[in-house]
Amino acid sequence: QVQLQESGPGLVKPSQTLSLTCSVSGGSTSSAGYYWNWIRQHPGKGLEWIGFIYHTGVTGYNPSLKSRVKISLDTSKNQFSLRVNSVTAADTAVYYCARENADCGADCNSHFDYWGQGALVTVSS
Amino acid sequence: DIVLTQTPLSSPVTLGQPASISCMSSESLVHSDGNTYLSWLQQRPGQPPRLLMYKISHRFSGVPDRFSGSGAGTVFTLKIGRVEAEDVGIYYCMQTTHFPRTFGQGTKVNIK
Repeated sequence: QVQLQESGPGLVKPSQTLSLTCSVSGGSTSSAGYYWNWIRQHPGKGLEWIGFIYHTGVTGYNPSLKSRVKISLDTSKNQFSLRVNSVTAADTAVYYCARENADCGADCNSHFDYWGQGALVTVSS
Repeated sequence: DIVLTQTPLSSPVTLGQPASISCMSSESLVHSDGNTYLSWLQQRPGQPPRLLMYKISHRFSGVPDRFSGSGAGTVFTLKIGRVEAEDVGIYYCMQTTHFPRTFGQGTKVNIK
């Protein structure tokens, strides 16, 4: 069973950098066919996709956040991380990491099959 | 960006009765590989989202068979055959055909 767990500071000051790490167990971040994603959910609101990283280091970001976001991968620790620069109160949200199964065996797939429990990050002075 | 519009936004249902949620996409979700990457997620209160259905109609591991998905192109439906108390929560459709990945605004299912 694949499990993901977010970790990082729950409180970040405005204009500073938000940093979160997702630790993966039961699966390998160095495996082909899987993308490692970050998604956020503002309090009481819907879901917003932030971006992904592939085991090759290829990344993709939501254009709405691209200028402030960086996702990195540490396959030796089986972890991937999110950094959001210049945060404001609008970045207060629960941040989820999730695996996208994009494996192509007999047929191709693309779905977010495993999610972390989420980490609430509050931006406040 | 692809806009996914869900209806209704709120669905009070009687235990044991069926429920249905629609998701309409602003563009076709058919991928160049021929697949349609439309998923349904369930988010119970205080919990992370959980995958229910993928590629329109494939149930994910462990999902009860009272859940079913249908549709094609731009119009999709999630049906719950007979609602149980554990089905209370918010349901989201999600597309992974196009970048950026996008979600519907969510449909809240609660018991009457």
